[in-house]
Amino acid sequence: GNSVTQMEGPVTLSEEAFLTINCTYTATGYPSLFWYVQYPGEGLQLLLKATKADDKGSNKGFEATYRKETTSFHLEKGSVQVSDSAVYFCALWDNYGQNFVFGPGTRLSVLP
Amino acid sequence: GAGVSQSPRYKVAKRGQDVALRCDPISGHVSLFWYQQALGQGPEFLTYFQNEAQLDKSGLPSDRFFAERPEGSVSTLKIQRTQQEDSAVYLCASSKKREDRGYGYTFGSGTRLTVV
Repeated sequence: GNSVTQMEGPVTLSEEAFLTINCTYTATGYPSLFWYVQYPGEGLQLLLKATKADDKGSNKGFEATYRKETTSFHLEKGSVQVSDSAVYFCALWDNYGQNFVFGPGTRLSVLP
Repeated sequence: GAGVSQSPRYKVAKRGQDVALRCDPISGHVSLFWYQQALGQGPEFLTYFQNEAQLDKSGLPSDRFFAERPEGSVSTLKIQRTQQEDSAVYLCASSKKREDRGYGYTFGSGTRLTVV
């Protein structure tokens, strides 16, 4: 079945550091890929998405590129802020089952 | 409302008690999902509605779980005879239509259920 694997956290960085959160997936066909963010006490918010190979999704300084050859969708940001502290979920849309498949989440803490 | 509203935000239930969790989707949204998010895990699919029709309930973990959306708007997830393993955050998400590639979904803040 379809699945998403992402790097385990927690990840702790200093403000202005470079961020990478790895995500790889297993899927039949060509799913859409997403990064969702969950701030404390809040629901999931869409951060960015990509719909086909080589697409780059970007938002709020975050970006991720859909790499079909490596089945990856790594999240990057050049300079993190304290306000980026949250849990980040990589997800795919299962075109067969017609629902989201999420990774386990990676908790990011950014220290001032 | 402007977003997906879930109530209650927190629920503590004694083992064996029945609970009902409510989801108010964005007005006019056709599609509605329920997900279960165990502590430290990603959300897992429970069930899907298109209007009042429950089109997929393959993710419901047992026959103690039941969901309904009788008028195609508000949905209720009911758990009978709660067990400790039911402790989780239950998330609801809605979309204006059945997006065929996962776009356009808005998630609620969830209900955190703790079974003691």
